[in-house]
Amino acid sequence: EDKVVQSPLSLVVHEGDTVTLNCSYEVTNFRSLLWYKQEKKAPTFLFMLTSSGIEKKSGRLSSILDKKELFSILNITATQTGDSAVYLCAASGANSKLTFGKGITLSVRP
Amino acid sequence: DSGVTQTPKHLITATGQRVTLRCSPRSGDLSVYWYQQSLDQGLQFLIQYYNGEERAKGNILERFSAQQFPDLHSELNLSSLELGDSALYFCASTGGPADTQYFGPGTRLTVL
Repeated sequence: EDKVVQSPLSLVVHEGDTVTLNCSYEVTNFRSLLWYKQEKKAPTFLFMLTSSGIEKKSGRLSSILDKKELFSILNITATQTGDSAVYLCAASGANSKLTFGKGITLSVRP
Repeated sequence: DSGVTQTPKHLITATGQRVTLRCSPRSGDLSVYWYQQSLDQGLQFLIQYYNGEERAKGNILERFSAQQFPDLHSELNLSSLELGDSALYFCASTGGPADTQYFGPGTRLTVL
């Protein structure tokens, strides 16, 4: 059965801190790894990673995939209170079916 | 705004009843996915349709069914509702081989 595990489950940091969110996966016919941010509504897309070792960057957020070790990390630098959310990792397998992890709840204190 | 629409936003019903949730994908997207999100289970994939045909099934109960119509909108039918079916139901769409799924705003179902 496909599985995605995220850690830690929750994290509390202060504004300006850097955080690293972890995601490991076991998915049959793996195609890609996706990160989403979920506030009090629908998940919004952050990154899609298909190749190992190539960092994707968007502002203060960056992510990288290791297909050999079957994990990905999402880094957020200089955190802001607006980064407070649940961060979801999902692995895409056959037919683009996404298997989600349970999410990491990030709280950024002023 | 992702371009995916879902109706209704909220639905309150009683156990044993049947409801229909509706989803319109982004313009041009052929694939529609349905997910259930509850507090204890996280986001769970239910079912996928591609251009009117069922493509993949996840953890979907037999009491639940879905279809995708020729205009590509999709409906998720939930019957014999139980208290445990209370959850957020999301629809997502994607265009082709790319895997990025864009999520609708969700329907919050409350079964009393």
